[in-house]
Amino acid sequence: ETGVTQSPTHLIKTRGQQVTLRCSSQSGHNTVSWYQQALGQGPQFIFQYYREEENGRGNFPPRFSGLQFPNYSSELNVNALELDDSALYLCASSWDSYGYTFGSGTRLTVV
Amino acid sequence: KQEVTQIPAALSVPEGENLVLNCSFTDSAIYNLQWFRQDPGKGLTSLLLIQSSQREQTSGRLNASLDKSSGRSTLYIAASQPGDSATYLCAVRGSGAGSYQLTFGKGTKLSVIP
Repeated sequence: ETGVTQSPTHLIKTRGQQVTLRCSSQSGHNTVSWYQQALGQGPQFIFQYYREEENGRGNFPPRFSGLQFPNYSSELNVNALELDDSALYLCASSWDSYGYTFGSGTRLTVV
Repeated sequence: KQEVTQIPAALSVPEGENLVLNCSFTDSAIYNLQWFRQDPGKGLTSLLLIQSSQREQTSGRLNASLDKSSGRSTLYIAASQPGDSATYLCAVRGSGAGSYQLTFGKGTKLSVIP
């Protein structure tokens, strides 16, 4: 059974650019969630996808968008990057939102 | 709006001690509560998940309890080891329709001194 894998592990972008982060969910899972974790804080919910539809969204602006593919993998896209977007981005998968398995995260630095 | 608080923010103990980490939440209408471990700069590793109908869960040296009515959970670690050093996070999932998100505390940073 494979776990949740995220790519890339680290990324440096310039303010105003766009970024795409990728996540492969754990085998057998149909739900993918994305979280943002700033340094010293707990993760904050961005949104969740269930069977390719967004079914929950946290308090993040529309420039944060996502996709879920038929194989349940997912992408997180962030447009017009701001310095405050620098954080660890975590992907989590589950079966019907029961219990979540997290990936190792992507560290995004915006300069 | 659900809020999760973890006390203490940091804890340092000598190897071999038993210890308790605390988590409180403001809205008792939860579906489940999950404890995670996070090593520096890494992702989250799930330790224990407690459904709202359960009182406790055990895995090895770890025991988590849940008192939903009072909005509290504790994570008990027996015979602590240096390898237990990490940040421990608790997260609750709400029970309302469409409540899929996990709400996290800021974590307790544990240091176990050899």
